[in-house]
Amino acid sequence: NAGVMQNPRHLVRRRGQEARLRCSPMKGHSHVYWYRQLPEEGLKFMVYLQKENIIDESGMPKERFSAEFPKEGPSILRIQQVVRGDSAAYFCASSPTRPGVSTEAFFGQGTRLTVV
Amino acid sequence: GDSVTQMEGPVTLSEEAFLTINCTYTATGYPSLFWYVQYPGEGLQLLLKATKADDKGSNKGFEATYRKETTSFHLEKGSVQVSDSAVYFCASDLFSQGAQKLVFGQGTRLTINP
Repeated sequence: NAGVMQNPRHLVRRRGQEARLRCSPMKGHSHVYWYRQLPEEGLKFMVYLQKENIIDESGMPKERFSAEFPKEGPSILRIQQVVRGDSAAYFCASSPTRPGVSTEAFFGQGTRLTVV
Repeated sequence: GDSVTQMEGPVTLSEEAFLTINCTYTATGYPSLFWYVQYPGEGLQLLLKATKADDKGSNKGFEATYRKETTSFHLEKGSVQVSDSAVYFCASDLFSQGAQKLVFGQGTRLTINP
């Protein structure tokens, strides 16, 4: 059973371009979380999705950022018109059910976005 | 709001040394507490967790005790190995809007020299 797969591992974009980050959850997992890690900071929650539904996007910037988790295919985090401040590591986590005391979320290796 | 503060790094130790990485939290409720580890080139892995006060989580020789009175969850290991070199993240959980969100500390990079 492959782990959570994120791609690309490294992404370089010029200011104003779009960045698309992909996350394939573990087989059988229908819950996906995205976290962002800015340089020298801890991971910060961005969004929680189930298949075809955004459950909680309270950590997402209001503009330029969007996320989806379609019925088929990976979850996508999309950043439009990137700026230098978007440079960060973006981590995806998945779980089989709503995470709780006895359920662990499994993390991917992250995508490191660099905006030049 | 909820937050987690952990010992700043980097931390460099010799093999077989005793390790402590400090972690304190603030929370409005009674969170579960976690230590995650990130080995070079890999994703975050859950190292250990504790779900209530006075619980001790342990794994791979690492231990941490949930101390409600000091709001702490310090990570300890009696004798570290080179293979323990990694970044360690302390985290608490926060339930809101139907989601369990993890609140992370900034991470502590640990290097063990042979």
